[in-house]
Amino acid sequence: QKEVEQNSGPLSVPEGAIASLNCTYSDRVSQSFFWYRQYSGKSPELIMSIYSNGDKEDGRFTAQLNKASQYVSLLIRDSQPSDSATYLCAVGGYSGTYKYIFGTGTRLKVLA
Amino acid sequence: DAGITQSPRHKVTETGTPVTLRCHQTENHRYMYWYRQDPGHGLRLIHYSYGVKDTDKGEVSDGYSVSRSKTEDFLLTLESATSSQTSVYFCAISESAGAAQPQHFGDGTRLSIL
Repeated sequence: QKEVEQNSGPLSVPEGAIASLNCTYSDRVSQSFFWYRQYSGKSPELIMSIYSNGDKEDGRFTAQLNKASQYVSLLIRDSQPSDSATYLCAVGGYSGTYKYIFGTGTRLKVLA
Repeated sequence: DAGITQSPRHKVTETGTPVTLRCHQTENHRYMYWYRQDPGHGLRLIHYSYGVKDTDKGEVSDGYSVSRSKTEDFLLTLESATSSQTSVYFCAISESAGAAQPQHFGDGTRLSIL
């Protein structure tokens, strides 16, 4: 079992719809959770951080964390073609050693 | 954007040659990281540094060495490059200790070993 799992996609949504991206993790002592956006041929760009259970909103983005179920999700409202990218989930924690693990990413395609 | 510069941006070299990639930051962040990104594997940590001359291994450190003689510079060296080290290499930085801090990435180096 991978430590951080994401569906590779592609996830296709029509323009204006809500895109829902999910990530599960295996280490229960994980403390911090991040979403990155990566356009093809570019570097990952941090878009959201979340540390406690519940929702965190930033513009059209909402991150949701459920530590009991060990998943974190990213909702993108009013999806735009410019949101088409790969979204990476990263999970951080310390259990004797520092760990910051990335999922392999979900490719999102927003159809105009 | 975080002030992170990677050089070179692209490099093609031959098997068996040494290769050094450079990461330079202007943020005065303590932590610096080297990752490689390959299809199907995502981002994997090679080495990281938590201060000048303080480094530690990551998940895929075999065949790589690093050095950090100044806060702003973190070098990744492939002593004798192999074709399996063909990849995109990213440098990242974070402000302080621990997994709670987000990392910010440079633009990457695309390395091809023929």
